Order: sequence, then C-alpha cells, then structure tokens
Amino acid sequence: DTAVSQTPKYLVTQMGNDKSIKCEQNLGHDTMYWYKQDSKKFLKIMFSYNNKELIINETVPNRFSPKSPDKAHLNLHINSLELGDSAVYFCASSQEPGYTDTQYFGPGTRLTVL
Amino acid sequence: DQQVKQNSPSLSVQEGRISILNCDYTNSMFDYFLWYKKYPAEGPTFLISISSIKDKNEDGRFTVFLNKSAKHLSLHIVPSQPGDSAVYFCAAIEGGATNKLIFGTGTLLAVQP
Repeated sequence: DTAVSQTPKYLVTQMGNDKSIKCEQNLGHDTMYWYKQDSKKFLKIMFSYNNKELIINETVPNRFSPKSPDKAHLNLHINSLELGDSAVYFCASSQEPGYTDTQYFGPGTRLTVL
Repeated sequence: DQQVKQNSPSLSVQEGRISILNCDYTNSMFDYFLWYKKYPAEGPTFLISISSIKDKNEDGRFTVFLNKSAKHLSLHIVPSQPGDSAVYFCAAIEGGATNKLIFGTGTLLAVQP
C-alpha cells in the first residue's frame, strides 16, 4: 500500500505532444506538491496545492498545468512538450502546508522527450 | 542562483566509520533545515531536520549540526552501514506560511563493507 504513487513511472514521447502525469496519496494529507529534478540533479519545486487550492506556483512555463480534482490527487498536464522538459518529476504530500510538515515523496516519473 | 549547496558530489567511507555530509546555504532567511535520503528509482525520504533555534539534533545514528554564523550544516552518520549508501539531499525552508523546500544537489554516499 504505497503512500504516494505516481503513474506512469516512465514516459517517452515526441516533442510537441501533450501528456499527463498522475499522483495519488493515501495518507489523508491536505497538501500536495510537484517537483522537477533536471539532468543536473537539481530538485526544484514547481507547484503546491492545499485543499485543492494553489498555494505555490514557481516560475514554470504555462505549458505546465496542475489539476487537483480532490485532496488525494494532484495531476500534472504538460502541453507542447519540449526537449528541456525531459526530467524526473516527483509528487509529494504533507499533512499541512506549514513549513515544518514533513513531505512524503512518490517514486518519480521519468519523462523523456525525443 | 543556488541557495543551498552541497559541494561534495560523492563520498566513500568504510562500514563502521563516521560519514560526514556537508551543506552550505546563502539565504539568511532560512530557518528550518532537513536532510532527505534517496535510493535509485525511488523518491526522497525524510531523514532528520533541525530548526534554526537549535545547533544540534540527534536521531539514532544520525545527527545534524547547524552553524548559523557560518551558514553551514552537516549530517553525521555513525556508525555507517552499507544500507546507508544513497544520495543525501540537504534542504532548507524560509520562515513563512508555505512549505517550499529548497534543495541542494545531493551527495552520493557509498559505504564500503
């Protein structure tokens, strides 16, 4: 029973395509996040939702659109994929958005754009 | 502009010895620091944290030290075990309402049996 799960684990696609990555947490947490780890291993926050409300939105191209249908799910939709979008995307969740709340990460989705 | 830096990309130690992983930061507004551990093909997992009001926090074999004047923190693992072999990420948070982790680039620790 995985706490934070992501699908798919691997995603290979062509430039210009639109793709989605799904995230689900069964921890009963209120807050969810998307992080991107690029080829240089930098792990950077992209978005955060608390109770389905966007609370963190970093300087991410508007081709990236997060969607939170409910507290347990945070999906990431990417339009018009570019080569530079190739990365590992991690979903995470925490009980609250407070800064001492531990974040629990999913296993990651490796996106490769050809 | 990298606010959290881990200058050692890798570290190798013998089983049973101490592992010391270092992290430097530039933002004086950071007031909470964490270490995450990551195995290949898995997400990071929380290891230990420290508030800026403390200079040391200990949890079993893991101790984190914070030197605010030097803007430096370190993670000590003693004794090191082969199962500790992983990438260790240092992270920091500014005081405030949101849980925005700023990560370092990680240090790959290899514990040799």
